[in-house]
Amino acid sequence: SYELTQPLSVSVALGQTARITCGGNNIGSKNVHWYQQKPGQAPVLVIYRDSNRPSGIPERFSGSNSGNTATLTISRAQAGDEADYYCQVWDSSPLFGGGTKLTVL
Amino acid sequence: QVQLVESGGGLVKPGGSLRLSCAASGFTFSDYYMSWIRQAPGKGLEWVSYISSSGSTIYYADSVKGRFTISRDNAKNSLYLQMNSLRAEDTAVYYCAQSRADAFDIWGQGTMVTVSS
Repeated sequence: SYELTQPLSVSVALGQTARITCGGNNIGSKNVHWYQQKPGQAPVLVIYRDSNRPSGIPERFSGSNSGNTATLTISRAQAGDEADYYCQVWDSSPLFGGGTKLTVL
Repeated sequence: QVQLVESGGGLVKPGGSLRLSCAASGFTFSDYYMSWIRQAPGKGLEWVSYISSSGSTIYYADSVKGRFTISRDNAKNSLYLQMNSLRAEDTAVYYCAQSRADAFDIWGQGTMVTVSS
């Protein structure tokens, strides 16, 4: 079965750029979606189909997908970006990565 | 505004049953696939089931197949999840989510299900 691999944690200095990866076999051939989940809250879609932002999501959030790795990039990281981030693909059924905890230092 | 509100969670004994509901508002419910997604305490997200806009197509995760039943009532703008033969490992927050293409773009606030004796 298909698997998605995310780092458990990523740290970024305030105002710098954070990159969260999602690995999977030939993931570049799939649509990848990204969700942000803050403590005690429901997930929020921040990137869909690799690189598209839903309305209301800041331009600081961007995505890319190629080969075996999809990447969520958060520019000019803010304290409010601290959250868990999940990637998701569709492989016969929806599949989520294990999640990455982003810490803004 | 677009909103999904889950209800029906609670404490149930192993082997017991529970029915979750999700009330939709602010969009044309009958146009969208809908899903249930759960999150065990301190764990990641796990897709549970989805149902097509008409209800004619339904899929389940292997972990719940044969025990859970998803359904919808488009006249009532409501989604349901009947959960039978509950196990401790079903303990989780259950979210309903609107599916657009193959992403989940609107989520409810979740309802907690605890399976314990």
